[in-house]
Amino acid sequence: GAGVSQSPSNKVTEKGKDVELRCDPISGHTALYWYRQSLGQGLEFLIYFQGNSAPDKSGLPSDRFSAERTGGSVSTLTIQRTQQEDSAVYLCASSTRQGAYYGYTFGSGTRLTVV
Amino acid sequence: AQSVTQLGSHVSVSEGALVLLRCNYSSSVPPYLFWYVQYPNQGLQLLLKYTTGATLVKGINGFEAEFKKSETSFHLTKPSAHMSDAAEYFCAVSDGGYNKLIFGAGTRLAVHP
Repeated sequence: GAGVSQSPSNKVTEKGKDVELRCDPISGHTALYWYRQSLGQGLEFLIYFQGNSAPDKSGLPSDRFSAERTGGSVSTLTIQRTQQEDSAVYLCASSTRQGAYYGYTFGSGTRLTVV
Repeated sequence: AQSVTQLGSHVSVSEGALVLLRCNYSSSVPPYLFWYVQYPNQGLQLLLKYTTGATLVKGINGFEAEFKKSETSFHLTKPSAHMSDAAEYFCAVSDGGYNKLIFGAGTRLAVHP
């Protein structure tokens, strides 16, 4: 696609429910990143996929968070048993192989509200 | 470990005034440095970047930044602010393995008439 597409754009869920957030990267971009943006906290790195390599999961805040990337393209971030502190904007980005050199293209994000 | 500090979570300037947004970084390897801008309800957009070569880099919308190794800084400037510059600005540094970016907490720029 022309840009990074994220869905849904907004999600309201009840505490304790599971949610899935989707990211469709730019075609041909081998690297895909998830970040979390909380009010006043900047962007917190969650997970990074690069081609067929094992993902860098070092930023996932707890074992309630997981992500997968199927076929080297679409990625899903899953949050199990959501808590109120999970409320944030979840941003997905993609890049060519060297994202830290060329920079990322970001999607518009999914705003998650846990009530 | 790599880190970024953005001094001032909020900056307010008059239209036509100089914009100066401060960014200091910590890196154990030669850094790649970026500035992104986020307009309300939108994703982040790349403004400019420094990788190698000329230390003064120019970006979109009249912004520029200078890499100063001795000061570990990468401050963002624009000579004359426009109302449309009101947004949140993020500075980022490459991680030690050059795989991903580490972002600062952001600076919200307000421009008043």
